[in-house]
Amino acid sequence: DTGVSQDPRHKITKRGQNVTFRCDPISEHNRLYWYRQTLGQGPEFLTYFQNEAQLEKSRLLSDRFSAERPKGSFSTLEIQRTEQGDSAMYLCASSLVWGGTEAFFGQGTRLTVV
Amino acid sequence: DQQVKQNSPSLSVQEGRISILNCDYTNSMFDYFLWYKKYPAEGPTFLISISSIKDKNEDGRFTVFLNKSAKHLSLHIVPSQPGDSAVYFCAASGGNRDDKIIFGKGTRLHILP
Repeated sequence: DTGVSQDPRHKITKRGQNVTFRCDPISEHNRLYWYRQTLGQGPEFLTYFQNEAQLEKSRLLSDRFSAERPKGSFSTLEIQRTEQGDSAMYLCASSLVWGGTEAFFGQGTRLTVV
Repeated sequence: DQQVKQNSPSLSVQEGRISILNCDYTNSMFDYFLWYKKYPAEGPTFLISISSIKDKNEDGRFTVFLNKSAKHLSLHIVPSQPGDSAVYFCAASGGNRDDKIIFGKGTRLHILP
């Protein structure tokens, strides 16, 4: 296993279109996190999963955002009706068990909404 | 509200000297703290962590100090090397009670030759 994989690496979309990103975590990891990062800011928490269960979704997250992890393995993050303010780096991370182990990040998906 | 604060956006340090990056937090429920390093166009890479039951953790050139009473932690890099130039993020979680990881805004470290 080579680590957390995210696809695509880059996405350019027109405002109003829907986009979907995929994250493949490290295979034995049961925790999966989604973050968003904009220039000059740290990663902002969006949501996270324990296996297939979504544990929490940031209250700052618009209803246009939805995430799934249907079989407790890979996860998808969908943004509906994209806006220019959605332009950011979307990061996925996974961890084995919390309470002592770090989360490993993928290389991110860079979204540009034009 | 920003629960993890890194008040220095950037820091320049001479190669070979000590780099000290600081971080403050407001949530007293945090009990696990991490430092990540990030290069441009890459995801953050884990560096070192510390549990709230400790006040120091060391891993090679990297040492993290935790002062719970002051809600403050710091990352020391000794000696600083050119490859250490990157953005460093402080992060925290509440452990088993609320274990999502909250990040600070980061400090850009420049190691000068």
